[in-house]
Amino acid sequence: GQQVKQSSPSLTVQEGGISILNCDYENDMFDYFAWYKKYPDNSPTLLISVRSNVDKREDGRLTVFLNKSGKHFSLHITASQPEDTAVYLCAAGDNQGGSAKLIFGEGTKLTVSS
Amino acid sequence: EAAVTQSPRSKVAVTGGKVTLSCHQTNNHDYMYWYRQDTGHGLRLIHYSYVADSTEKGDIPDGYKASRPSQENFSLILELASLSQTAVYFCASSDPGGFTGQLYFGEGSKLTVL
Repeated sequence: GQQVKQSSPSLTVQEGGISILNCDYENDMFDYFAWYKKYPDNSPTLLISVRSNVDKREDGRLTVFLNKSGKHFSLHITASQPEDTAVYLCAAGDNQGGSAKLIFGEGTKLTVSS
Repeated sequence: EAAVTQSPRSKVAVTGGKVTLSCHQTNNHDYMYWYRQDTGHGLRLIHYSYVADSTEKGDIPDGYKASRPSQENFSLILELASLSQTAVYFCASSDPGGFTGQLYFGEGSKLTVL
């Protein structure tokens, strides 16, 4: 089954609004949680990541919230801008035994309309 | 200067033919990965490697082989290409010692099997 799941394939937000992207995972052993951004015909790039020992991390307009008991994490983008339009991939993984693997969700296509 | 480079960037192959996708990294990272991207599936892990001359199966290894002849190079081999293997393939590297959830991706290789 899908270990990391993004239930919303698409999301549209007005410019200036808050974009909220959600991700659920199954494996209790996951220790790293990340959000990647991907433009069409480009490779994914890391936006922000957290480890399991924190439940929130902010970086500019980006905030990641981690709910370990609910096996859920989310990305909030404040003051959304048209250039935020892209596919957002959540990812989770662990580094047990040095395996350093990431499992990705299916992606959510965010459209910020002006 | 790109630290993870893939070749070819685009390839058309015939069903039943052999395809080799190559990846070269200059990050001095121990870990390398091959993912495939399909619409609606995000990125799925095919094979990965944490040391030269050794490879591990990811989540969807069937129909693929991998080769890691050196720390810098990691190849994905399709011995008998099939229509279902049409996809974009991404190579990535990471530093497990300082793993933060960040993978460094190549530009992608678009494979079309006819």
